[in-house]
Amino acid sequence: KAGVTQTPRYLIKTRGQQVTLSCSPISGHRSVSWYQQTPGQGLQFLFEYFSETQRNKGNFPGRFSGRQFSNSRSEMNVSTLELGDSALYLCASSRTGGNEKLFFGSGTQLSVL
Amino acid sequence: GESVGLHLPTLSVQEGDNSIINCAYSNSASDYFIWYKQESGKGPQFIIDIRSNMDKRQGQRVTVLLNKTVKHLSLQIAATQPGDSAVYLCAENIQDQGGKLIFGQGTELSVKP
Repeated sequence: KAGVTQTPRYLIKTRGQQVTLSCSPISGHRSVSWYQQTPGQGLQFLFEYFSETQRNKGNFPGRFSGRQFSNSRSEMNVSTLELGDSALYLCASSRTGGNEKLFFGSGTQLSVL
Repeated sequence: GESVGLHLPTLSVQEGDNSIINCAYSNSASDYFIWYKQESGKGPQFIIDIRSNMDKRQGQRVTVLLNKTVKHLSLQIAATQPGDSAVYLCAENIQDQGGKLIFGQGTELSVKP
């Protein structure tokens, strides 16, 4: 069974640009969560999608958005990039998203110059 | 902001010794806890989980202990090996918050041969 797949693996953008990251969950998993990881703040929850609906949202500005498709694949978008958005963005999937283990992808390393 | 655990400390052990990694969580409503291992350049990898109705759970070479009275979680690794060197992350799931995990900053484990 394939694991969680995130693309692209690396991205370099400049301030003010926007970026879209993609995540394919494990087959059969309907919950997809996104996390931002930085050396200073650690892993922080961005949002969770279940059956194409955002179910939970973390404390991030509206520049961070996401969506989920009918096949459970998910994308997250960051608009008007800032230097502080440089981070490893991780996607995790689980069957239902409630009190069960989350499986993580390898992440997308975003660098904003 | 929300946080659980310690600000990234380092634990250095000799190969073959037992390791104990500690984590403090903050929310009394948390009812599910997970330990992840994260190697450089990779996403977090599931190690073991425990629900709040349990005090102890054992896996292969690993044991998780939960003390709800003092909101403390620990991970014990028996006969630590060089391949165990990584950052260990504890995470809590608050009841009824779906797939949202709150992560600690992590502990870096270094195993000396």
